[in-house]
Amino acid sequence: KNQVEQSPQSLIILEGKNCTLQCNYTVSPFSNLRWYKQDTGRGPVSLTIMTFSENTKSNGRYTATLDADTKQSSLHITASQLSDSASYICVVRESSNDYKLSFGAGTTVTVRA
Amino acid sequence: GAVVSQHPSRVICKSGTSVKIECRSLDFQATTMFWYRQFPKQSLMLMATSNEGSKATYEQGVEKDKFLINHASLTLSTLTVTSAHPEDSSFYICSARDGQGIYEQYFGPGTRLTVT
Repeated sequence: KNQVEQSPQSLIILEGKNCTLQCNYTVSPFSNLRWYKQDTGRGPVSLTIMTFSENTKSNGRYTATLDADTKQSSLHITASQLSDSASYICVVRESSNDYKLSFGAGTTVTVRA
Repeated sequence: GAVVSQHPSRVICKSGTSVKIECRSLDFQATTMFWYRQFPKQSLMLMATSNEGSKATYEQGVEKDKFLINHASLTLSTLTVTSAHPEDSSFYICSARDGQGIYEQYFGPGTRLTVT
């Protein structure tokens, strides 16, 4: 069964500090991996998308990495801001099976002043 | 970029009534649309997949007679929660897949349903 595991489940950081979220997956065959930010009561918003051949992708203060060999990805948030408080979800898409998406449970990030 | 809208964003209804949620792809044609349900502090759970002009495919455990899905056009899908109960209160998110290119999937902003 294709799975996506995220860690930690939640974390609290001080404003201005950095943090790294982890995502391990078993999805195969692999198409791409996205990190989404979901604010409370809102839909997920895509931060980064990475395909098999990409190792790193940045979007402002967000940097995602992908190791397709070990099936691991990370999302690094630099110089956190209060507005970064949200749930971050790792989503992996299959390249077959009608492009099915597998969702991680998310990491809840709380940034405190 | 591709935009998916949902209406309403919030709805409160009484037990026993039905409520309809609309999902629209605003700048692309969505041959396939998805409906998800999300409980607090949990990730999205796929409820059903619908293709334009055909019946929806429901995930195991989802009652098709309770959650009616209509995908009448390439830009509109609706989810009707029939005979709503308080346990149906949840956050419902739709997603639309672009029928061209790399078939990427885009998410709507969600609808908060509260059944009293």
